[in-house]
Order: sequence, then structure tokens, then C-alpha cells
Amino acid sequence: DAKTTQPTSMDCAEGRAANLPCNHSTISGNEYVYWYRQIHSQGPQYIIHGLKNNETNEMASLIITEDRKSSTLILPHATLRDTAVYYCIVRLSGGTSYGKLTFGQGTILTVHP
Amino acid sequence: DGGITQSPKYLFRKEGQNVTLSCEQNLNHDAMYWYRQDPGQGLRLIYYSQIVNDFQKGDIAEGYSVSREKKESFPLTVTSAQKNPTAFYLCASSATGGNQPQHFGDGTRLSIL
Repeated sequence: DAKTTQPTSMDCAEGRAANLPCNHSTISGNEYVYWYRQIHSQGPQYIIHGLKNNETNEMASLIITEDRKSSTLILPHATLRDTAVYYCIVRLSGGTSYGKLTFGQGTILTVHP
Repeated sequence: DGGITQSPKYLFRKEGQNVTLSCEQNLNHDAMYWYRQDPGQGLRLIYYSQIVNDFQKGDIAEGYSVSREKKESFPLTVTSAQKNPTAFYLCASSATGGNQPQHFGDGTRLSIL
């Protein structure tokens, strides 16, 4: 699976959009980009995933650049409860992959009043 | 509500004892996984199962055992052979299909007395 690079930490004001970047310059054509978040002492929560098109769901939007070498997770109106560690994961789809998720260090997002 | 239930939330074990962690899902997912998370680190895959009555070792299976007798259940036994069992254990499940995301339970924190 391709390696990802994320900033160690970010701050965001409550009510504003939080834009979390992820670099995955070695991504291959059949690897998906997944985003999870983890609040202390809880299990990771799935947020969104995509291959090459931009995706949106009730939690967030995922913007993937045309060359697929980077992506941005957007939380449109951050709340205090969005404070968590956010993980960007690139994973092979299908083939011999058995679904293992490799979590890096992630980005600590702090939303403040 | 559909989801993954792990129990207990906290578990204490005396040295030399085996303990079993429960994981139940009502999402009708075929695949289930067990991960271990140590402080400040990412997740490491212990075992996974893609279908009932079948399971495979992950990256750190030594000292652990699993069973998959029912689709809904994937219990993990931490045996006395596991030399460093203190960790946060996470169970996940996913639908089959190459890009299906994994959904996690809230974890069991195991400590050695």
C-alpha cells in the first residue's frame, strides 16, 4: 500500500471549514483513499473514501487531485466534537489484498470555540 | 441500530491466564478483523476472517487464537503465550468487495495485573 504524509496537527475554529491535507504521491491506479478518525479511547470511525472522483457524504467531502497524488478531507462546519486524530489511508482494492488497514500517525485536529 | 459491539470495555488478566474478547456485529458483514493498538502507534492486524468457518493470520498472530462459527461473531482469545498482551484491541467488519470500508467497534482495553 502507498505511504501517506499528513501534517502532525491542525487547528480550526468552531463553525469554520476544516481542510485536512494528505499526500500520497506513490499511489497506484487501483488504490483507494480512505479517511478515518479516532477520538481518544474509542475505535476508529470511517468517514469517507474515493478512487479518483470527488466524494461527499453527510460527514465530509473528499477532494482528490487529478493526478491522485494528494487529497483533502473537508469538514464543512467543524464542531468541538470533531476534535480527533484523522487518518488518511491508501489501500489496494481487490486482488490479493485481504483488507488490512495501515494507520500512520495521522493529523491531530483541534477545534476550538 | 446496526453496529459492532465489543465487550467488555475493560479487562484485567492475571499472568498465565487466557482471556477471550467478544466481538459481535449485526451489519450482515462477511469479513471481520482483529487489530491491536499500542499507545501512540497505529493498528496492527492480528487475525481476519473473510467467511464463516475460515480465518487467516495477520501480522502479529502469535499468542492469539480466534474462531468464526457464526457470521455475527468473531471472538479473540489472548493466550498465556502472548508475552505483552497489554493493549487496546479493536474489532472491525466489512462487506465483501474490494473497496468496502471497515467499521470498528469501540474496543477492549486489556491490562495485566
